[in-house]
Amino acid sequence: EDQVTQSPEALRLQEGESSSLNCSYTVSGLRGLFWYRQDPGKGPEFLFTLYSAGEEKEKERLKATLTKKESFLHITAPKPEDSATYLCAVRSGSARQLTFGSGTQLTVLP
Amino acid sequence: DAGVIQSPRHEVTEMGQEVTLRCKPISGHDYLFWYRQTMMRGLELLIYFNNNVPIDDSGMPEDRFSAKMPNASFSTLKIQPSEPRDSAVYFCASSRDYPYEQYFGPGTRLTVT
Repeated sequence: EDQVTQSPEALRLQEGESSSLNCSYTVSGLRGLFWYRQDPGKGPEFLFTLYSAGEEKEKERLKATLTKKESFLHITAPKPEDSATYLCAVRSGSARQLTFGSGTQLTVLP
Repeated sequence: DAGVIQSPRHEVTEMGQEVTLRCKPISGHDYLFWYRQTMMRGLELLIYFNNNVPIDDSGMPEDRFSAKMPNASFSTLKIQPSEPRDSAVYFCASSRDYPYEQYFGPGTRLTVT
C-alpha cells in the first residue's frame, strides 16, 4: 500500500524567509509524484509532476525536487500570497488513482 | 477551459435525506474521480471512472453511497440516507490518460444535521 507523509504539518515564515517542505513516500514503482496547492474553500490546484529521481521543476518562487524516497518543495523568498496548504501525492504501478499526504499548512507573515 | 464544475457549492440537509452532488469534468478528460476531504482523514478517494465506466469503488464507505457517470460530461454522487458523519467537502477531479495530473473542481461542502 502506498504511503505519503508530509512534514511539517504547519510552517510559519516571515516574508522573504526561504524554507522547504518535505514529502516522504513509500510506493511500489513510482509513476509520478504530484504537488498541489490548496487555498481555503477551494479545490487543490495542480503545481508540478515529477517522474524520476533527480528531476526538478520550478514555478515562480517554488521549486520541486525528487529523490528515490522523498520530494522537497523549496520556497524562495515567499510572499504572503504563498500562504496555503501544500499537498503531495503519488501514483504507483498501473494505478490511475493518487494517494495524498495530509499536507503542510504554510503561513507567510508580512 | 472552464475547468471542473461542481454543484451545488454548499448543501445543508437533515439526517436521513437524500443528497445528490453533481460534476462536469473537463472536456476531453478520460478519467473522473470523486474524493472526500475531512480534517481527520484528509483527502480520500471514493471512486473513479474511466470512459464513463466505474473502475475502482473500494473507497466508497457504505452502500448508502452510489455514483454514476451516464455520459462523458456528467457524473453524480448520491448519498441515501445521509448521516451527520457524511459531513465533509466532496471534490470531483478529472484527468487525461496521459499526463496523469488530476484537476479538481471547487468542491461541495456538505453539512448533515
